[in-house]
Amino acid sequence: EPEVTQTPSHQVTQMGQEVILRCVPISNHLYFYWYRQILGQKVEFLVSFYNNEISEKSEIFDDQFSVERPDGSNFTLKIRSTKLEDSAMYFCASSEVPPHNEQFFGPGTRLTVL
Amino acid sequence: QKEVEQDPGPLSVPEGAIVSLNCTYSNSAFQYFMWYRQYSRKGPELLMYTYSSGNKEDGRFTAQVDKSSKYISLFIRDSQPSDSATYLCAMRFQGAQKLVFGQGTRLTINP
Repeated sequence: EPEVTQTPSHQVTQMGQEVILRCVPISNHLYFYWYRQILGQKVEFLVSFYNNEISEKSEIFDDQFSVERPDGSNFTLKIRSTKLEDSAMYFCASSEVPPHNEQFFGPGTRLTVL
Repeated sequence: QKEVEQDPGPLSVPEGAIVSLNCTYSNSAFQYFMWYRQYSRKGPELLMYTYSSGNKEDGRFTAQVDKSSKYISLFIRDSQPSDSATYLCAMRFQGAQKLVFGQGTRLTINP
């Protein structure tokens, strides 16, 4: 069964460093998403991406964050200058077409900012 | 008032019991309702989704939406130890892409 994959599974970085989280969505899916889950808190939407542009973003997704589809298979989330409060699980998801109800999630990348 | 509320539990029941998991929400504009299962240190796994009010059944799982009460439920029949996980409700507005999640309820099924 096709699945969303994410690398790395765990990333440790120093505050102020840039990190790039990588995702390979399901191959025939067209919509891609990033969510995050701070320990003990809800899963929160960050951004959705379609046709090489952001289609929806939350107030969390500020100028420190960017997304990119650098090639035909990868989808990345970049955090330019990490803060302690960026420590969380970051989940990538993808869906085939609207209406976006069937969003399939990857296993997540745990980001630890020291 | 929080947008989506879900009792975090923990909820512990014996194997074979019927489990009822619930969420309430404050915004009547939510139109689509999902249930995800999340095992420890894994990503959420979609169980089922429903549109507007009504019931939907899939094997041992039944999702129920009552829009008049802003209340959704997930029932698990003949619960198994492998059902032990955190169950997340999620909702979406018509035309929006983002899912709004509840806190999640941690469920343990005891053999």
